[in-house]
Amino acid sequence: GDSVTQMEGPVTLSEEAFLTINCTYTATGYPSLFWYVQYPGEGLQLLLKATKADDKGSNKGFEATYRKETTSFHLEKGSVQVSDSAVYFCALSDPPFYGNNRLAFGKGNQVVVIP
Amino acid sequence: EAQVTQNPRYLITVTGKKLTVTCSQNMNHEYMSWYRQDPGLGLRQIYYSMNVEVTDKGDVPEGYKVSRKEKRNFPLILESPSPNQTSLYFCASTSTGHGNQPQHFGDGTRLSIL
Repeated sequence: GDSVTQMEGPVTLSEEAFLTINCTYTATGYPSLFWYVQYPGEGLQLLLKATKADDKGSNKGFEATYRKETTSFHLEKGSVQVSDSAVYFCALSDPPFYGNNRLAFGKGNQVVVIP
Repeated sequence: EAQVTQNPRYLITVTGKKLTVTCSQNMNHEYMSWYRQDPGLGLRQIYYSMNVEVTDKGDVPEGYKVSRKEKRNFPLILESPSPNQTSLYFCASTSTGHGNQPQHFGDGTRLSIL
């Protein structure tokens, strides 16, 4: 079935450092890919999305490119801030037409940005 | 403001005492679903609903029930809660279609079953 794999473990980095979180996926069809962010005590918020190969999603300085050849959707940000500290989830959706819009999530990565 | 509202946010209860977690959305979305989030396991879908009176099981439905009598509401029911249902629960909604629309999530309900 469809699945998403994120790199293991929390990510700790200093303010203004470069952030990369790896995400790879397995899907039988042509999924849409998402990054969601979860701030402490809150629900998941959409950070960015890409719906077809070579699309680049971007928002708040974060970017991710849908790479079909490597089945990847890595998240990057050039200069992180303390306010970027959160848990980041990679997810895909590949429903049958008007079928279950189930999101398959990776396990998430805790990002801690130190001043 | 577009939102998904869950209640309660926190609940501590005992084994076997029936409880309901409510979920309401104001975006006229057809599709709603419930997920549970557990450490090391990420989020897993419990149940989903394609529209009013149309519900179906997700990946981990055992011990849960749902109903969809109105478009805006999708309550999650635990008829006889057990400690293994201690978790963080999220309700989500989106418009139906091809799956390329983002889903909107509630702020979560943290359940502790003693």
